[in-house]
Amino acid sequence: AQSVAQPEDQVNVAEGNPLTVKCTYSVSGNPYLFWYVQYPNRGLQFLLKYITGDNLVKGSYGFEAEFNKSQTSFHLKKPSALVSDSALYFCAVREINNAGNMLTFGGGTRLMVKP
Amino acid sequence: DGGITQSPKYLFRKEGQNVTLSCEQNLNHDAMYWYRQDPGQGLRLIYYSQIVNDFQKGDIAEGYSVSREKKESFPLTVTSAQKNPTAFYLCASRVNGVTDTQYFGPGTRLTVL
Repeated sequence: AQSVAQPEDQVNVAEGNPLTVKCTYSVSGNPYLFWYVQYPNRGLQFLLKYITGDNLVKGSYGFEAEFNKSQTSFHLKKPSALVSDSALYFCAVREINNAGNMLTFGGGTRLMVKP
Repeated sequence: DGGITQSPKYLFRKEGQNVTLSCEQNLNHDAMYWYRQDPGQGLRLIYYSQIVNDFQKGDIAEGYSVSREKKESFPLTVTSAQKNPTAFYLCASRVNGVTDTQYFGPGTRLTVL
């Protein structure tokens, strides 16, 4: 079975400061990992994914994430937060051998960036 | 959201009525998915389809039904058997390669009055 945990319901950061949104996962094999962002009353927008290779993945809007196999983590980061980054962020995982290619999502973390 | 449309954006339903949510994609994607999102919660999979005329139940299929008669369309019917249908419904699609990404539509907010 595959699962994802986002331990923080909300993360508060000042504009211009670095931000981290945490994600840990559990799979029986190797994972594919994804980050999505959701603005109010909108669908999810894809930010980045880890499939294989370099553990540091760069994505849209200056976001990046680091895959850490030993800690089973895939934390989302950005060097300098913007007020417009305020949104709901979801981490998702899929096992490589998942027959239905189904994603399992974390509960989401609300990011609040204050001016 | 581009390439995946969901309609209507807002939908109100009386208890005991069935209602159908539309999802259309022009991305030539093979697989399509329906998720339910409740306030403050993550997404839960209702149904998915990897090819035309075939679909599989997800984690919370009870009270829902789907069809996949065309590659570009995957409508979801919320039946009167669904005990608590008020939620935000999201449709997604992806190419069937193993590393491919799911892309989401803008969602439909269903409210039962």
